[in-house]
Amino acid sequence: GQNIDQPTEMTATEGAIVQINCTYQTSGFNGLFWYQQHAGEAPTFLSYNVLDGLEEKGRFSSFLSRSKGYSYLLLKELQMKDSASYLCAVRDGNNRLAFGKGNQVVVIP
Amino acid sequence: KAGVTQTPRYLIKTRGQQVTLSCSPISGHRSVSWYQQTPGQGLQFLFEYFSETQRNKGNFPGRFSGRQFSNSRSEMNVSTLELGDSALYLCASSLDSGPNTEAFFGQGTRLTVV
Repeated sequence: GQNIDQPTEMTATEGAIVQINCTYQTSGFNGLFWYQQHAGEAPTFLSYNVLDGLEEKGRFSSFLSRSKGYSYLLLKELQMKDSASYLCAVRDGNNRLAFGKGNQVVVIP
Repeated sequence: KAGVTQTPRYLIKTRGQQVTLSCSPISGHRSVSWYQQTPGQGLQFLFEYFSETQRNKGNFPGRFSGRQFSNSRSEMNVSTLELGDSALYLCASSLDSGPNTEAFFGQGTRLTVV
């Protein structure tokens, strides 16, 4: 079966850096996605990793280690609008996208 | 370019009834996936359709079914509704169903079963 774990909630201060971890165990692996979801809105795509290493995209970076079944999303220079749920999703060997339960990030002034 | 459109946005049904939800993907996208989102379980995969064929299926009972039409629009149906079916139902469309294909989500249909 699929198992994707993320911490449930974290609080950080505006301007700080926050790291959101994700560990996974899936039947096959065809890439890992990070999505952002604001309350009451649809999830929106942030990043995609399929090879080991770091992918940087502005204030957001995502890291993958396939051997460890581990990824993290790094948010730099936190802004109030970054308060949202961050979802880790793995595409398994059957190309199904399995999601974690999401990590709720609360940014405080 | 219009995004993924789901209708209706909100729905209230009683136990035992059935419901049909609709999803219109982004123009040109052939893959449509459905998810159920609840606070306790997060986003859970229901099924995926590609070119009118069901490509993948999650672990939901047979009361949950779907289909895709030739214009890629998709519907999902839930029969004999239960209280536990109350959730946000999200549809996501992709250009194809390849591994690195980004999924674009609609705003969802919030179903409340009373």
